[in-house]
Amino acid sequence: AQSVSQHNHHVILSEAASLELGCNYSYGGTVNLFWYVQYPGQHLQLLLKYFSGDPLVKGIKGFEAEFIKSKFSFNLRKPSVQWSDTAEYFCAVNAASSASKIIFGSGTRLSIRP
Amino acid sequence: EAGVAQSPRYKIIEKRQSVAFWCNPISGHATLYWYQQILGQGPKLLIQFQNNGVVDDSQLPKDRFSAERLKGVDSTLKIQPAKLEDSAVYLCASSLSGSITGELFFGEGSRLTVL
Repeated sequence: AQSVSQHNHHVILSEAASLELGCNYSYGGTVNLFWYVQYPGQHLQLLLKYFSGDPLVKGIKGFEAEFIKSKFSFNLRKPSVQWSDTAEYFCAVNAASSASKIIFGSGTRLSIRP
Repeated sequence: EAGVAQSPRYKIIEKRQSVAFWCNPISGHATLYWYQQILGQGPKLLIQFQNNGVVDDSQLPKDRFSAERLKGVDSTLKIQPAKLEDSAVYLCASSLSGSITGELFFGEGSRLTVL
């Protein structure tokens, strides 16, 4: 069965710092990968997704993620964070063989100091 | 476009009582999901419907949890009897089709506290 690991539980950065949040998954077959974000008081929403093609995917608000198949990773990056990026970030994976079942990681809370 | 509607937003009950949560997905979305999110953890899939049929309920504790989507539109998740460890946010999500290329749209969630 597939699983997702997010090793950073809480990350604190200053504005304009660069961000990288780790995500590793365990599944040997073809996967679809996602990052969801939950801003304070709001519902979960899709940040970006990877299905195939270019392993570097760009999402909303300047976020991007790189799929590295050999490392089973899909890390989220942003070159310069803003205070408004304060939120909880969830990596998620879907094994292509399991219909549309999506498994989420435990999340990383990102706090940005103004 | 209206989003995924859930009610109630908050519910406090005592253990061994019952509770029901309701979800109305985005119009036209065939796939509906119920997730349980315990504090400090990521959402855990409880059950997935495609129209009114169950696609996956492998992680639903069937001795106490039940869910239905009788007409393929709105859905109800019930817990009876509740345990302390059921305290969590129950998230409903929907997508346009069963294809994974469809984005999941989440509701605000129903926060359950079991005392």
